[in-house]
Amino acid sequence: AQRVTQPEKLLSVFKGAPVELKCNYSYSGSPELFWYVQYSRQRLQLLLRHISRESIKGFTADLNKGETSFHLKKPFAQEEDSAMYYCALKDGGSNYKLTFGKGTLLTVNP
Amino acid sequence: NAGVTQTPKFQVLKTGQSMTLQCAQDMNHEYMSWYRQDPGMGLRLIHYSVGAGITDQGEVPNGYNVSRSTTEDFPLRLLSAAPSQTSVYFCASSLPGLGYEQYFGPGTRLTVT
Repeated sequence: AQRVTQPEKLLSVFKGAPVELKCNYSYSGSPELFWYVQYSRQRLQLLLRHISRESIKGFTADLNKGETSFHLKKPFAQEEDSAMYYCALKDGGSNYKLTFGKGTLLTVNP
Repeated sequence: NAGVTQTPKFQVLKTGQSMTLQCAQDMNHEYMSWYRQDPGMGLRLIHYSVGAGITDQGEVPNGYNVSRSTTEDFPLRLLSAAPSQTSVYFCASSLPGLGYEQYFGPGTRLTVT
């Protein structure tokens, strides 16, 4: 069965410090992975997807198949990055379903 | 487009009561789903639908029913509310394809006393 693990429930950093939110997955096929973000009082939204190899709001995430990881990184955290972050893995047997991790609450302190 | 809308935003129920959480989308998305969000548990899939007339169970379906009579609407029914169903409920919709994105509603915060 596929699984997504986010080992940190809470992560606190200071403004300007680098931040890395960890995500590990368990999946036998070729994975499609995503990061979703939920800012305070806003709805959950897609931040980035590995297949696009994009940088959004300064965040990047590289798929490492050897380590089965998809960590989210930003070199200089900003206070507005404070939010709940979810890593998600597309269900291999479906064009639709996602399996979400339990989320990491990032707090960026001034 | 309004995107994905959910009503109500807040609801308090007594144990044993029933109610329906409404979800609608105006993007002509085939796929719709319901999640519940609980502290430390992340998002868990309750039910989903891949088109009108087609529904299936997710990870935590017990105590919930769904139907999909139209592409736009996907209501979630609580048959007999229990305190364990206290949660925030999110509806989402999407289209298939490589790199697809799920669009979420604003959520319904439900408290069962």
